[in-house]
Amino acid sequence: GQNIDQPTEMTATEGAIVQINCTYQTSGFNGLFWYQQHAGEAPTFLSYNVLDGLEEKGRFSSFLSRSKGYSYLLLKELQMKDSASYLCAVRPLEAGSYQLTFGKGTKLSVIP
Amino acid sequence: NAGVMQNPRHLVRRRGQEARLRCSPMKGHSHVYWYRQLPEEGLKFMVYLQKENIIDESGMPKERFSAEFPKEGPSILRIQQVVRGDSAAYFCASSRQSSRNTIYFGEGSWLTVV
Repeated sequence: GQNIDQPTEMTATEGAIVQINCTYQTSGFNGLFWYQQHAGEAPTFLSYNVLDGLEEKGRFSSFLSRSKGYSYLLLKELQMKDSASYLCAVRPLEAGSYQLTFGKGTKLSVIP
Repeated sequence: NAGVMQNPRHLVRRRGQEARLRCSPMKGHSHVYWYRQLPEEGLKFMVYLQKENIIDESGMPKERFSAEFPKEGPSILRIQQVVRGDSAAYFCASSRQSSRNTIYFGEGSWLTVV
């Protein structure tokens, strides 16, 4: 089975940096995803990590440590529009499994 | 460059009625996934389909729920005899290949059972 934990809510200031953590316990692992979801809208793909290390994409970076079952999403130069829920999701390793297991999401509020 | 299209966006049904949710994948995508999001819960996988085939329905409730992806037309998630607990957001996603690591989500269909 899969278990994914991430903080429920976070608040950060415009222009600052925020790190959203995600820990997972899985029977197998085949990649970790981060999605952004504004209220009432579709989850939007942000990043995918399958190997250890940091993946940088503009203001957003994602880090993975498979040995620790740990990932984080780093958002730099925060903007008000970054206020959203951030979803961590894991793809299991079982053969033929194409489903993602999502955490409950972290609701980020960016304040002036 | 249309994304994943879902309709209706909002649907209200009385208990016992049927709900039909439709999903048109992105152009060129032949893999469709349905997820359900209950209030205060994460997205939960329901079913994975390719054209005319159900590949993995391990997340589908055993009764009242069914899904199809015909050769022509959108994928349809059907919920028969809806109950209040079916009230949720239902998201469809698509990908070009099952092994691809970018899965695109639609904007969801919000079902309210009254």
